[in-house]
Amino acid sequence: GQSLEQPSEVTAVEGAIVQINCTYQTSGFYGLSWYQQHDGGAPTFLSYNALDGLEETGRFSSFLSRSDSYGYLLLQELQMKDSASYFCAVPLSGGYQKVTFGIGTKLQVIP
Amino acid sequence: DAGVIQSPRHEVTEMGQEVTLRCKPISGHNSLFWYRQTMMRGLELLIYFNNNVPIDDSGMPEDRFSAKMPNASFSTLKIQPSEPRDSAVYFCASSFDIYEQYFGPGTRLTVT
Repeated sequence: GQSLEQPSEVTAVEGAIVQINCTYQTSGFYGLSWYQQHDGGAPTFLSYNALDGLEETGRFSSFLSRSDSYGYLLLQELQMKDSASYFCAVPLSGGYQKVTFGIGTKLQVIP
Repeated sequence: DAGVIQSPRHEVTEMGQEVTLRCKPISGHNSLFWYRQTMMRGLELLIYFNNNVPIDDSGMPEDRFSAKMPNASFSTLKIQPSEPRDSAVYFCASSFDIYEQYFGPGTRLTVT
């Protein structure tokens, strides 16, 4: 089966950098996605890594190491609006676009 | 595009009543997903459709839950009879590839 592990909570200071880690176990790996969800809102897609390495999108970057079954989301120049839950997710083998989500990491940005 | 549309946004009902949640996916997407989110269990996949066909309903809690997708632009999730433990936020999402799903705003269901 598939499983993902990520920390449940992280606190960081405004303007700082924070890294949210995700380790996964899956049969048939297609890539690692990241989603952001603000309280009371819906999950929204942030990034996807299919290959090893770092993908950068503005203040957010995502990294993948397939050999280590590990990835992380890096948020730079933290802003108060970045306070949200962040989910890693992996598409499941067998196609049809089914995805397993981690439990989510609640990020609190403090002044 | 208007994104994924869900209705109602909030639903309060009494135990034993039937609840129907509705979803309109993004035009052109070929997969549709129903999720349930609670503090205790996180984001759970209930069922998903590909090209209007149910592919995997193993996440549906029990026979009280049913879902349909009569055409590419509409899906329903029905709970009959509803129970207090069904209280959660229900999300519908659609996609056309494996790495990005588009979520609707969700329906917050409260069963008293």
